[in-house]
Order: sequence, then C-alpha cells, then structure tokens
Amino acid sequence: GAVVSQHPSWVICKSGTSVKIECRSLDFQATTMFWYRQFPKQSLMLMATSNEGSKATYEQGVEKDKFLINHASLTLSTLTVTSAHPEDSSFYICSARTHGSPTYGYTFGSGTRLTVV
Amino acid sequence: QQQVKQSPQSLIVQKGGISIINCAYENTAFDYFPWYQQFPGKGPALLIAIRPDVSEKKEGRFTISFNKSAKQFSLHIMDSQPGDSATYFCAATIQGAQKLVFGQGTRLTINP
Repeated sequence: GAVVSQHPSWVICKSGTSVKIECRSLDFQATTMFWYRQFPKQSLMLMATSNEGSKATYEQGVEKDKFLINHASLTLSTLTVTSAHPEDSSFYICSARTHGSPTYGYTFGSGTRLTVV
Repeated sequence: QQQVKQSPQSLIVQKGGISIINCAYENTAFDYFPWYQQFPGKGPALLIAIRPDVSEKKEGRFTISFNKSAKQFSLHIMDSQPGDSATYFCAATIQGAQKLVFGQGTRLTINP
C-alpha cells in the first residue's frame, strides 16, 4: 500500500532557530500534500495544501512566512518552521494524496513532535 | 456547513463489547467518508471508508453505517479488543475539493 515517510519523528530546537520537516511518498506520486498541526487531545488542524510545482495554499490564520512549504517534486514536500518559538511546539503531520485513486488515497505520515525550548 | 460533528468525545468499552462512534455532517456535497485510527505519537491510519451510494460497509470487525437522509454515519467495532484502544477520527471530503474535514475525535478505551 501507499507509504508516506515523515522525518524527523521528533526534534528539539532552540527558540529563534528554524526547523525543517520532510515528507516523502515512497511508492507513489503525490500530486497533493497536506500539512496538519495537532495539539494534545485535539483533532487535526489543516495548515496548508501544496500541489507539486505550485505555491502552497494556506488556511486562514496560518502565517505563510513562518511555516514555509515546498513541494518541489512528486515525492517530496517540506515544512520549515522559521524562527521557532515555544508556542510553535506541536505535533506536525503530513498527508499525501494519490491523484485518481478511487478512494482518494489520503495517506498520512507518522508525524513529527516539535519542541521549542 | 463544512463541519463534521463527532461523538462521544471519549468512550470506555469492555473487552468483547461493541464500540459505536457517531458522526454528523451538513454539507450534502460530501461524497467520501473515511474513518482514521490514531495511536499516541503516530499519524492517523485509514481504517475504513464509505461512499454515500451504499448504506453499510464491513471490513473484519469494523463496520460503517451510513444514513444519507439523516446525514449521519457511524463506526461500529465488534468484539472490541484492548489493542483497539486509540483515538478515532471520522472525516469527509468532496471529490475535487481535496481537503479532508475531520471530526473532533473519540478517545476509545477498551478495558480488559
């Protein structure tokens, strides 16, 4: 089945630094990738949608200059949290969609726990 | 109208019992309804999904019941096991719209 690999699984960084999270589709071409943020005991909050080769579409309230998304190929999307602060600490999850799949093909990565100290 | 409302927020079931989680939606354009299972510290994994042209779908111990007129769908877990203890999310989407709309989640605990 479709597999999405997300790295790192956890990261601790100092306040003011930037962190990059990678999301790769291993055995399929992901025409669309999604980035979510999840707070403890809460649902997934969609941050942005990215189509390969296009600029990401950010949800209302998400700072595009803080959360940089790149989807340069059909198998790789990255989320960079710039100038991270403690309030950016969260669980970030990517998802990739297989275009044309009869079941729409949303596959999720294993998530990245970001802690900003 | 884009919301999917999920209940209950938490659920405790004895081993061997039936776990039932309900979701309701407003947007009649939704045409794909998946359920996801999430363990702590992991991403969601697709459990089972249904299209609105069928009223029920069963895969092993997991069954989705779909009521189009009531705009409701539910997940039934038969013979619930401790390994089923996880958070479950219902979701909905519209073909072409790309985005999944998630429910609030249900934390399921199966007592041995």
